[in-house]
Amino acid sequence: DAGITQSPRHKVTETGTPVTLRCHQTENHRYMYWYRQDPGHGLRLIHYSYGVKDTDKGEVSDGYSVSRSKTEDFLLTLESATSSQTSVYFCAISESNLLGVGRNEQFFGPGTRLTVL
Amino acid sequence: KNQVEQSPQSLIILEGKNCTLQCNYTVSPFSNLRWYKQDTGRGPVSLTIMTFSENTKSNGRYTATLDADTKQSSLHITASQLSDSASYICVVSGSTFNQFYFGTGTSLTVIP
Repeated sequence: DAGITQSPRHKVTETGTPVTLRCHQTENHRYMYWYRQDPGHGLRLIHYSYGVKDTDKGEVSDGYSVSRSKTEDFLLTLESATSSQTSVYFCAISESNLLGVGRNEQFFGPGTRLTVL
Repeated sequence: KNQVEQSPQSLIILEGKNCTLQCNYTVSPFSNLRWYKQDTGRGPVSLTIMTFSENTKSNGRYTATLDADTKQSSLHITASQLSDSASYICVVSGSTFNQFYFGTGTSLTVIP
């Protein structure tokens, strides 16, 4: 998985509780992304980061926040988990300093399965 | 609107047979197109990547084609194996680092 780890891999929590998912990379890539994957939908972008402390919203950012204090770590926080946030969450990284076909290639982590009861 | 559509949604084939998966897109500007394989419970893994100037790319038994004029791509799998059972996702990249457009995938099941 291209030097990307996610923790935890599985989590069950209750509605209203805060949850933090961690993505850690060893590739020193500049860009990091959080996606959610649900049946019937393609991967949908939640938030992304283009450098330390530089983040921005994706298409489904409501109810989520992120932080990136180090190049290697990108945290996703569900401030008050809801049942609609039950999903599989994937972290991805990319490095656009590459030229040609390597540009914008994304590498994905193994995913975190989150269940909100 | 930038969209990626894949067909069929699911497919069942016999081991040893060939199959072709389709991807149509409306993304503009276009940078490249990738096919990913996603095994159950795992993250997507890149199979092939093509820019607008490439019309075919192979990776073992996987061959991807791209027609940039009609904005269509296909992934052909030859001599399928049980391990090919997975979801295959088409992803089109735009011109910037945050422009990735995902299809919903084709679920392929290879049966003995």
